[in-house]
Amino acid sequence: NAGVTQTPKFQVLKTGQSMTLQCAQDMNHNSMYWYRQDPGMGLRLIYYSASEGTTDKGEVPNGYNVSRLNKREFSLRLESAAPSQTSVYFCASSRVTATGGWETQYFGPGTRLLVL
Amino acid sequence: GQQVMQIPQYQHVQEGEDFTTYCNSSTTLSNIQWYKQRPGGHPVFLIQLVKSGEVKKQKRLTFQFGEAKKNSSLHITATQTTDVGTYFCAGPRAAGNKLTFGGGTRVLVKP
Repeated sequence: NAGVTQTPKFQVLKTGQSMTLQCAQDMNHNSMYWYRQDPGMGLRLIYYSASEGTTDKGEVPNGYNVSRLNKREFSLRLESAAPSQTSVYFCASSRVTATGGWETQYFGPGTRLLVL
Repeated sequence: GQQVMQIPQYQHVQEGEDFTTYCNSSTTLSNIQWYKQRPGGHPVFLIQLVKSGEVKKQKRLTFQFGEAKKNSSLHITATQTTDVGTYFCAGPRAAGNKLTFGGGTRVLVKP
């Protein structure tokens, strides 16, 4: 049981290049999320997917696209990378807790992206 | 929109001392969650509080949910070097299974 996995762990891009960050979870969770975390900052939601086949924008969606490929996988694409997208990207999935039915989130190890 | 604020942003603590970090929401929350992120790591779920005035303990960590369900606190007693990291609180948004995270309190322990 690997939990939430992310690839790659590190990436360096030049401005204008594109790339896709991969995320997979093996916990049979319905909801999945992409966050970015800038140095010394909190987590900002980029996109999320409440279930397979659905996606929705978060706080900072500009410059990103997502695909919920199936229940397990949720990818994040940068079509034309910009230096402002230098950050650590976390994928998460969530399940309903036993208490009150609220969902808690399980995070992947993160992808550290540098855009030059 | 909903805002979740945490204070202090940084906390330098002498090993063995106690400290408290605070979380305040601009809206009433149905529940509050706390996460810990070790340096270079990813956030890990610690605990969830649901009831008004609820207090929960995990060893040396005591979590409290305010009576009005708009604030929460985390108190750590006898701080150890293993407590180093950033502690985030998070509250659910009005719709959907999304959370609003606070900016975090970064805890540094002086041995």
